[in-house]
Amino acid sequence: DAGVIQSPRHEVTEMGQEVTLRCKPISGHDYLFWYRQTMMRGLELLIYFNNNVPIDDSGMPEDRFSAKMPNASFSTLKIQPSEPRDSAVYFCASSPKGGSEKLFFGSGTQLSVL
Amino acid sequence: SQQGEEDPQALSIQEGENATMNCSYKTSINNLQWYRQNSGRGLVHLILIRSNEREKHSGRLRVTLDTSKKSSSLLITASRAADTASYFCATDGNTPLVFGKGTRLSVIA
Repeated sequence: DAGVIQSPRHEVTEMGQEVTLRCKPISGHDYLFWYRQTMMRGLELLIYFNNNVPIDDSGMPEDRFSAKMPNASFSTLKIQPSEPRDSAVYFCASSPKGGSEKLFFGSGTQLSVL
Repeated sequence: SQQGEEDPQALSIQEGENATMNCSYKTSINNLQWYRQNSGRGLVHLILIRSNEREKHSGRLRVTLDTSKKSSSLLITASRAADTASYFCATDGNTPLVFGKGTRLSVIA
């Protein structure tokens, strides 16, 4: 298996632009998580899905952030409009058993908002 | 918050030495996990220890868990330059994993 695949690896955009991050989880994994990592705040859980259904989005910082999972093999995290403080590394992770079991992480998307 | 707190924040050792990192947390857990993150990469799962376990081994890794003190330690024996990375503990409970800010380990050849 190729593991969790995220794209793009790097994204540089200007403030106010829409940003879409993409994730393909490992086949057969029912849980998908979006995390954000910064030096100041560490790794923060933004939202997670179970069988394509959002379960907890309390970590999404603002209405500018939205996430979807239209099918079992694809998820997006969208920021509209983007702001410089959104600059971070965004990770997608998947798990076959749930949020308290082993997570498989993608390589992340390094987002820079200028 | 259930967030684990790793200690120390940074650790520098010579190749061949042992490295010990600690994690403290605040609430009851079902399990505790340790992950490694190499620079510019995603986190990789190392080991999971359940609340009814006290010690677990995996290769050169040894993890202990003391639920009465709400703490865990990760020992890497005979460290190698390739062990240079950040190490995170992650705790659960009734929510998905919550990660600490990590310990940055540097192993000098």
